[in-house]
Amino acid sequence: GDSVTQMEGPVTLSEEAFLTINCTYTATGYPSLFWYVQYPGEGLQLLLKATKADDKGSNKGFEATYRKETTSFHLEKGSVQVSDSAVYFCASNDYGGATNKLIFGTGTLLAVQP
Amino acid sequence: KAGVTQTPRYLIKTRGQQVTLSCSPISGHRSVSWYQQTPGQGLQFLFEYFSETQRNKGNFPGRFSGRQFSNSRSEMNVSTLELGDSALYLCASSPQGGSGTEAFFGQGTRLTVV
Repeated sequence: GDSVTQMEGPVTLSEEAFLTINCTYTATGYPSLFWYVQYPGEGLQLLLKATKADDKGSNKGFEATYRKETTSFHLEKGSVQVSDSAVYFCASNDYGGATNKLIFGTGTLLAVQP
Repeated sequence: KAGVTQTPRYLIKTRGQQVTLSCSPISGHRSVSWYQQTPGQGLQFLFEYFSETQRNKGNFPGRFSGRQFSNSRSEMNVSTLELGDSALYLCASSPQGGSGTEAFFGQGTRLTVV
């Protein structure tokens, strides 16, 4: 079945460092792809999304490009801040009709140190 | 616009009991999905309701059930609680459905089974 694989954490960076969190997916069709972020004690918030190949999603300095040839949707940010510390989830929308089912990766904890 | 509201935020139950969790979606949203989040299994899809009908279901035992009311509010029920049911239960609402639609998450209900 469809699945999402993302790099294990935790990822520890110094402020202003470059961030990459890898995400790959398997799917029988052409899913939409998402990055969600979860701050301590909170639910998930959508960070960005892409709905078709070569689309680039971006928000708050984060970017990710939907690469069909490598089935990837890696999250990047040029200069992280302490406030970016959170758990990041890559997700795909289960292709196959009108459904909102999301398939999530295991999550990557990002810790940014001042 | 009010966000997704889940009640209660915290619950402690005893093995063998049953529990009902509630979710009020964003006004106008007709789709409500439920997810279970645990450290070991991550985020797993439970089920989705749209216009009072269950239109997708994850791989959970029949002890897990749900329903949606005409005002789109949803409840999920877990009967005969087991220790392994301890988790954060997240509800997400969406305007309609289909690939690419953003899901808006509530803060979750933290269930502890003792």
